[in-house]
Amino acid sequence: AQKVTQAQTEISVVEKEDVTLDCVYETRDTTYYLFWYKQPPSGELVFLIRRNSFDEQNEISGRYSWNFQKSTSSFNFTITASQVVDSAVYFCALSELGNNDMRFGAGTRLTVKP
Amino acid sequence: DAGVIQSPRHEVTEMGQEVTLRCKPISGHNSLFWYRQTMMRGLELLIYFNNNVPIDDSGMPEDRFSAKMPNASFSTLKIQPSEPRDSAVYFCASSFDGNEQFFGPGTRLTVL
Repeated sequence: AQKVTQAQTEISVVEKEDVTLDCVYETRDTTYYLFWYKQPPSGELVFLIRRNSFDEQNEISGRYSWNFQKSTSSFNFTITASQVVDSAVYFCALSELGNNDMRFGAGTRLTVKP
Repeated sequence: DAGVIQSPRHEVTEMGQEVTLRCKPISGHNSLFWYRQTMMRGLELLIYFNNNVPIDDSGMPEDRFSAKMPNASFSTLKIQPSEPRDSAVYFCASSFDGNEQFFGPGTRLTVL
């Protein structure tokens, strides 16, 4: 069965610091997808990225970057030069090929202080 | 482009009443998902539909919960009778062919 672990429950940083959110997953499938979602205080869930298991290239999008390491079953998310607007709960999720059942981690609450 | 639309955004009801939550997925998406989010249990998948057919309802907590998708542009989640422990935020999401899911704004349900 698939499982996603986000060991960091809460992280607090000061603006402009870099911060990495950890995500470790478990799956028996060789083909799967990994996701990150952001849930700001307003409550909506915002899709950030999807990665398939065959693509281990790191991805960068502005201040956001993702590091996918199959060897350690991790898909970590780094925010560079954090801003107050980055304050949110961030969820990592996994779905297996052919299975729409996306399993979410418990989420990491990030607080960025001015 | 309109995203996933959910109504109502907030619902306050009394224990024992019937509650119906509504969802309109993104046009062209063929999968629809209902989730529940609580502090204690996080985000839980309740049920999902593929091409309007329920595929997996193993997350539906009990018989008081039911979901329908009569057509590609509408789904309902019904709770009858409602109980205080059903209080949560209920999200609807849609996707196309197993790709990333896009979430609606959620319905915050309070059962007194």
